[in-house]
Amino acid sequence: AQTVTQSQPEMSVQEAETVTLSCTYDTSENNYYLFWYKQPPSRQMILVIRQEAYKQQNATENRFSVNFQKAAKSFSLKISDSQLGDTAMYFCAFTINQAGTALIFGKGTTLSVSS
Amino acid sequence: DSGVTQTPKHLITATGQRVTLRCSPRSGDLSVYWYQQSLDQGLQFLIQYYNGEERAKGNILERFSAQQFPDLHSELNLSSLELGDSALYFCASSVEAGNYEQYFGPGTRLTVT
Repeated sequence: AQTVTQSQPEMSVQEAETVTLSCTYDTSENNYYLFWYKQPPSRQMILVIRQEAYKQQNATENRFSVNFQKAAKSFSLKISDSQLGDTAMYFCAFTINQAGTALIFGKGTTLSVSS
Repeated sequence: DSGVTQTPKHLITATGQRVTLRCSPRSGDLSVYWYQQSLDQGLQFLIQYYNGEERAKGNILERFSAQQFPDLHSELNLSSLELGDSALYFCASSVEAGNYEQYFGPGTRLTVT
């Protein structure tokens, strides 16, 4: 069975600083996808970034980038130049490359950005 | 705005009752997923439909059922409600059954009293 672990329940960072959120996963599959979703106080789930396991290059979306270490089964999210609007719960999610499979989520990390 | 709509936003009902949650996927998306988010269980997958057919089942209780209609909107029916069913219910959609980029609706907050 696949599992996703986020070991940091809470993190805090000052505006303009960089923060890294950790995620590890466990799977015997070789072809899968990883995601980071953001859930702000509004509770909306927002897709932040996606990484295909077959791609060696780390995904980047503006201030958000990932460090994907396939052998270590690690998928961390780096947020650069943190902004107050980044305050949210962040979920790491995993799914295998097979029709009929859904996202498996970690427990989430609450990130607080302060001025 | 993800393009996925859910109604109602909030629902308060009593134990033993039945409710229906509605979801309209993004234009062009054929696949709909339902998730439950509760404080103790986190985000859990309930069920998936693709183009009107059930495609995958997760931790969905027998008291819960869902369907996807020809216009691709989906409904999640929750019956014999218990206090523990209080949660945020999300619908997500994707283009295909195997398209792994899922876009979430705003959720329905269900409170069972």
